[in-house]
Amino acid sequence: QVQLVQPGVEVKKPGASVKVSCKASGYTFSNHGFAWVRQAPGQGLEWMGWIRSDNGNTNYAQKFQGRVTMTTDTSTTTAYMELRSLRSDDTAVYYCARANRYGSGSFEFWGQGTLVTVSS
Amino acid sequence: MVLRQSPGTLSLSPGGRATLSCRASQSVSSNYLAWYQQKPGQAPRLLIYGASLRATGIPDRFSGSGSGTDFTLTISRLEPEDFAVYYCQQYGNSPTTFGQGTRLEIK
Repeated sequence: QVQLVQPGVEVKKPGASVKVSCKASGYTFSNHGFAWVRQAPGQGLEWMGWIRSDNGNTNYAQKFQGRVTMTTDTSTTTAYMELRSLRSDDTAVYYCARANRYGSGSFEFWGQGTLVTVSS
Repeated sequence: MVLRQSPGTLSLSPGGRATLSCRASQSVSSNYLAWYQQKPGQAPRLLIYGASLRATGIPDRFSGSGSGTDFTLTISRLEPEDFAVYYCQQYGNSPTTFGQGTRLEIK
């Protein structure tokens, strides 16, 4: 069965970086890309970008351009999302979701989410 | 592309019928519109994709319809576990976007 496993919590100080992992299993890793979606407390879903697992091509939301980097490691079947220069309003649950081969589409499988808290 | 969901909150009783709306600011390419259900503390769950196709394991009381700019999620015969927040997503036009959500609460 498809599983996407994320760490539960990350606590960071303003100005720091966070790198969230998403360990995938149960399917052929290179056949699907990943999307990253975040959700601030009490708010809706916000797409951050996506990455293809077969060639590493990325597409980032304009809001995060220059501050986010998404990567995949086929040897460990893990996707990563790094967000730099963290601010308090980056406090949110960060989800990875399995996308289609091209990194887009609807998202049938999701990780359980990583709560990133940014606080001094 | 902006997706506007209405109503913001819908109060209904179990056994009732829910109609949720998602309106796009421009036509959604190929009707690539999905609906998700989210319960507190959980990740979203895909219900509908391609505007009207049920995802694997989704009960047939959930149905999606619409095209172009106007889409609807209908839940017939509400069960207690259906009370949650629902989001629409369009993935036909880049960048993909989500609606702000509709909260379905027990009356």
